[in-house]
Amino acid sequence: DTAVSQTPKYLVTQMGNDKSIKCEQNLGHDTMYWYKQDSKKFLKIMFSYNNKELIINETVPNRFSPKSPDKAHLNLHINSLELGDSAVYFCASSRDRVLHTFGSGTRLTVV
Amino acid sequence: KQEVTQIPAALSVPEGENLVLNCSFTDSAIYNLQWFRQDPGKGLTSLLLIQSSQREQTSGRLNASLDKSSGRSTLYIAASQPGDSATYLCAVPRGTSYGKLTFGQGTILTVHP
Repeated sequence: DTAVSQTPKYLVTQMGNDKSIKCEQNLGHDTMYWYKQDSKKFLKIMFSYNNKELIINETVPNRFSPKSPDKAHLNLHINSLELGDSAVYFCASSRDRVLHTFGSGTRLTVV
Repeated sequence: KQEVTQIPAALSVPEGENLVLNCSFTDSAIYNLQWFRQDPGKGLTSLLLIQSSQREQTSGRLNASLDKSSGRSTLYIAASQPGDSATYLCAVPRGTSYGKLTFGQGTILTVHP
């Protein structure tokens, strides 16, 4: 299947832990993104990578570190997790600025 | 700074009604506008993409229009069905920031039988 896939789908962890979310797209897109959807359902851009280069970093705490080993992958590593990090994190990809395709989301719960 | 607003925040209608969802944006310098659907606990599904040079796009029972000059887009859903129940989001990219999407807060649609 051609898609944006992210793992895990659910993640429950304790405060202070470090966790990673993985994202892969097989659509041949050159740009990948991480978005955060908070409890009020607002979706906000966190990072954007184009051809493995960081393009956008939207004032996200430096506890969040994206890593793009190649054009098809954009992983999100989060250090020292806090309660406020609980949200749904969506990976997405696009070719240039056209037609974002989203993954199904990772629901992160920090307890 | 681009701001996107969607009205209404929630809508509950009986099956069969025709619906209009509204989206407005403050900065008309957009390349395109995209409408998404989000089902509870699921990801976003792209419904329609309208390029800035277009005035409308159609897909099945969905029709989206775009008026850049007034900063508005509407999503028209014909003959609504219970399966249309979901949150509908509009989003616009900003400038050259490689497709950074600014989203509205969504319209929660409930279509009851």
